[in-house]
Amino acid sequence: GAGVSQSPSNKVTEKGKDVELRCDPISGHTALYWYRQSLGQGLEFLIYFQGNSAPDKSGLPSDRFSAERTGGSVSTLTIQRTQQEDSAVYLCASSPGQTYNEQFFGPGTRLTVL
Amino acid sequence: AQSVTQPDIHITVSEGASLELRCNYSYGATPYLFWYVQSPGQGLQLLLKYFSGDTLVQGIKGFEAEFKRSQSSFNLRKPSVHWSDAAEYFCAVGGSGGYNKLIFGAGTRLAVHP
Repeated sequence: GAGVSQSPSNKVTEKGKDVELRCDPISGHTALYWYRQSLGQGLEFLIYFQGNSAPDKSGLPSDRFSAERTGGSVSTLTIQRTQQEDSAVYLCASSPGQTYNEQFFGPGTRLTVL
Repeated sequence: AQSVTQPDIHITVSEGASLELRCNYSYGATPYLFWYVQSPGQGLQLLLKYFSGDTLVQGIKGFEAEFKRSQSSFNLRKPSVHWSDAAEYFCAVGGSGGYNKLIFGAGTRLAVHP
């Protein structure tokens, strides 16, 4: 079956602009995660959605970052007023449920802020 | 604090040689441990995972890892490396009880000489 998909694969934006990154999880997976992979910081957890529960936003680096998950499926990560330090690869992952399971990762969106 | 340490940033081995990638973790409860591989331009692929039971776990592509609680380690091994194993390898730890974010090490980049 289809894996986790993310769009766009690459995004170049100017400092100060807003961007939206999209994640389509594997069908039927109730848990969805966003991570950021950047030079010098490695892979960092950003936010986690599980079903209809309130998301765990503890990894979001600032209030410029927000995420939504509509209908328990597609998720959008929004970065407002982008800064150069936001340049990174943003990875989305999904997993089948609340008990611990493997996370399946998408190919990522490479964001470059000029 | 929860953390994962991968002491080796870069490793170079000859094709056919054995490989061991080190991973040490700090985690307050029973850890769930993972090794992921990332090829250039690709997302993360799970190599293997440890939840409980036998401390020697087998994964895909001929990889194995051993969980040693006394040493807080989860080292990845392969008896004979192939050129296609050149990639970046990430060790990660996660928790039980529904708190599922992964904490990643900084990664080890593996180069394979012919």
